[in-house]
Amino acid sequence: QSALTQPPSASGSPGQSVTISCTGTSSDFGAYNSVSWYQQHPGKAPKLMIYEVFKRPSGVPDRFSGSKSGNTASLTVSGLQAEDEADYYCSSYADSNNFYVFGTGTKVTVL
Amino acid sequence: QVQLQESGPGLVKPSETLSLTCTVSGGSISSYYWSWIRQPPGKGLEWIGHVYYSGTTNYSPSLKGRVSMSVDTSKNHFSLDLSSVTAADTAVYYCAKGRTYYDIRAPFDYWGQGTLVTVSS
Repeated sequence: QSALTQPPSASGSPGQSVTISCTGTSSDFGAYNSVSWYQQHPGKAPKLMIYEVFKRPSGVPDRFSGSKSGNTASLTVSGLQAEDEADYYCSSYADSNNFYVFGTGTKVTVL
Repeated sequence: QVQLQESGPGLVKPSETLSLTCTVSGGSISSYYWSWIRQPPGKGLEWIGHVYYSGTTNYSPSLKGRVSMSVDTSKNHFSLDLSSVTAADTAVYYCAKGRTYYDIRAPFDYWGQGTLVTVSS
């Protein structure tokens, strides 16, 4: 199976916004809104930031938001802070074949 | 607070079987899906598969045939076996918990710290 496609990098100055796209096929995303986003700092385990396209787990700042249109999901980080500098991965459950697929990953740099 | 801890050899010889266990503490293994995910050095995440507390499994199509997962509810742990390993299987291996009861599509809300497994003779 192929990974979901993300841009390799994105950047913004403190206080600005950055949006990361995640593109797949209709088979990747399925009929359910099972798109999630993970943040990973160097040497650390990934952390769930967004699930079911736009929902935030408890403790995740509302600066993080998610959306989806057709076969492209997006993560927006508003009001960028230094600690937001990390790798971000999207993920979806492909119902057609019962497996999870991750995105290629995007490195976010805070300038 | 649920915690997950991976354990197993850090070095495996080519053609042999990589075996890891993930011990769950602070919560029951019952009613959830439990996944293995790996990350080769400097690369992205790859889902290997998951096991339900009942023993039902689903595996990545790219690894199906080499991977096997099991669960032991009495010990509150689950395991991964990956056979016929090559250098391409060198990676940090994570175990992770599905966020919602009974939900095969649930995202991963708790992760282990990860364990580096190197395949080399």
